[in-house]
Amino acid sequence: GQQVMQIPQYQHVQEGEDFTTYCNSSTTLSNIQWYKQRPGGHPVFLIQLVKSGEVKKQKRLTFQFGEAKKNSSLHITATQTTDVGTYFCAGPEGLTGGGNKLTFGTGTQLKVEL
Amino acid sequence: DAGITQSPRHKVTETGTPVTLRCHQTENHRYMYWYRQDPGHGLRLIHYSYGVKDTDKGEVSDGYSVSRSKTEDFLLTLESATSSQTSVYFCAIGGLANTGELFFGEGSRLTVL
Repeated sequence: GQQVMQIPQYQHVQEGEDFTTYCNSSTTLSNIQWYKQRPGGHPVFLIQLVKSGEVKKQKRLTFQFGEAKKNSSLHITATQTTDVGTYFCAGPEGLTGGGNKLTFGTGTQLKVEL
Repeated sequence: DAGITQSPRHKVTETGTPVTLRCHQTENHRYMYWYRQDPGHGLRLIHYSYGVKDTDKGEVSDGYSVSRSKTEDFLLTLESATSSQTSVYFCAIGGLANTGELFFGEGSRLTVL
């Protein structure tokens, strides 16, 4: 089955430093999604990328989808304490009836120190 | 936040006892999912449902069963809980082919002693 790997598993940064997490799929993806989970919370959808080579920005967050649609990255510029949490990428597989199930990466846990 | 409620939110039980976790949604969504989250493994799909009485297995379905008798409720049952099933369980809805994103419940933390 589809496998999705993420690196690094953990990242500690000083506030103001940049942060990047990388996601790699064993198969070509129709799209890739990113989620954020705050400590003690539940995953929350951030964004979906669909096109080969697509780049999307949300304020200080930049998301990229690789040309081969098998890898993706999330870059945070000038981290803040509010960025603390675990970031997951996820790739869909088709389901009976037209839906999708998501295979999640292992996640990157970000800690931001003052 | 999407209208998803999980119960119980916390449960401690003993090995060998049956456990049922409930997921209730008010969004009338067709697709519902149960994931478990463990350190180092991310989120892994246990079972999913694509309609009333329509369910299928995910990647870690051994030891779990599910039922969906109504659109709004998706039950996850551990027939005989084991310590390896100690985890945080998340219910999710969504996953339409065109939009695809999932909306998660608050999670149920299960400890099997």
